[in-house]
Amino acid sequence: KQEVTQIPAALSVPEGENLVLNCSFTDSAIYNLQWFRQDPGKGLTSLLLIQSSQREQTSGRLNASLDKSSGRSTLYIAASQPGDSATYLCAGGAYSGAGSYQLTFGKGTKLSVIP
Amino acid sequence: GAVVSQHPSRVICKSGTSVKIECRSLDFQATTMFWYRQFPKKSLMLMATSNEGSKATYEQGVEKDKFLINHASLTLSTLTVTSAHPEDSSFYICSARDLSAGEPGTQYFGPGTRLTVL
Repeated sequence: KQEVTQIPAALSVPEGENLVLNCSFTDSAIYNLQWFRQDPGKGLTSLLLIQSSQREQTSGRLNASLDKSSGRSTLYIAASQPGDSATYLCAGGAYSGAGSYQLTFGKGTKLSVIP
Repeated sequence: GAVVSQHPSRVICKSGTSVKIECRSLDFQATTMFWYRQFPKKSLMLMATSNEGSKATYEQGVEKDKFLINHASLTLSTLTVTSAHPEDSSFYICSARDLSAGEPGTQYFGPGTRLTVL
């Protein structure tokens, strides 16, 4: 069964700093990996999706990498801003033995960017 | 991107009552929708997969008689928490899968429903 771990659970940085959020997964047979953002009391917003055949994806100040062999993904945020404060979730997507596709989520990293 | 709505956003109910939560895909059709539950500082836990026109598939440990799921159309799935108790208080999030670009599709998430059972 897939398990997704995110470290650290919480992170506080001063505005302008570059930062890295880490995600590890136990089953390398993932189909893709997604990073989401969740604001307090809100749903999820998809940030980046990396297919298993890809190594990284970029969107603006965000860059996500994927290393299937080591079971790791990172989310790099450049020049952090207070508006980046949120909880960041990673999720591994895979097909089960029954052929259904599911996402398995980590617990998230709560990011606080201090002005 | 596509939009998924949930209604209500917040609900407070008395113990023993039933609560229905709606999940709608607003600009695409979704043969599959997913219902998740999120506890504070915990990851989203998949409760069940809702399949249009057929029975939902429940994850291990989720009581199907407690959490009734109906996916009667390609744009609407409902989750009914029957005889709710305080331990059912949680944040419920749905997602709808858009397969227009092929498998495995893209999951779009709703804004969530905060259920508080008194």
